[in-house]
Amino acid sequence: EAAVTQSPRNKVAVTGGKVTLSCNQTNNHNNMYWYRQDTGHGLRLIHYSYGAGSTEKGDIPDGYKASRPSQENFSLILELATPSQTSVYFCASGASDRNYAEQFFGPGTRLTVL
Amino acid sequence: QQKVQQSPESLSVPEGGMASFNCTSSDRNFQYFWWYRQHSGEGPKALMSIFSDGDKKEGRFTAHLNKASLHVSLHIRDSQPSDSALYFCAARATDSNYQLIWGSGTKLIIKP
Repeated sequence: EAAVTQSPRNKVAVTGGKVTLSCNQTNNHNNMYWYRQDTGHGLRLIHYSYGAGSTEKGDIPDGYKASRPSQENFSLILELATPSQTSVYFCASGASDRNYAEQFFGPGTRLTVL
Repeated sequence: QQKVQQSPESLSVPEGGMASFNCTSSDRNFQYFWWYRQHSGEGPKALMSIFSDGDKKEGRFTAHLNKASLHVSLHIRDSQPSDSALYFCAARATDSNYQLIWGSGTKLIIKP
């Protein structure tokens, strides 16, 4: 079965600090995604990637950067963390060879910014 | 902005009962629809996909799609306590860049 892992699973950061969330997938999928999930907002897309070296802005990219150094790894970077970025973050991967491909999600990272 | 409206926000169903969720999309370009389920503390997982008008049945789960009315629904019969979770609908347009447009989710609670 498709496998997406995230680290860390829980993170407490201070306001103004730098936070890096990591994601690894063993599905050999070209596409990867970063979402945040907040009560009342469902899943909101932050950044996504079509392959190694590519990053694209999603619906709410402000305050976030992304990095895709390889097919398997996709990172989300908060250069200057703020309390409003306290949330649960999910990484997902998906195939790019068919439009009906589903997305496979990791277990999530709970980030608290104090 | 493309949207998928999902209802209800929450739903409480007795064990063994029927649970129903609804989504209405705002764009006729949406051609591919999924239902995802998320148990507490986990990531969402695809439950069912439906791409053609009509019903699609998988065990206790039935999805229905009506592209003319831009409406998709999910029905769970004989609901079990393990069905308690957050349910999302998601849609993709044929001319999309593989992005999914997500509904806001429905919290389902199964009462023993």
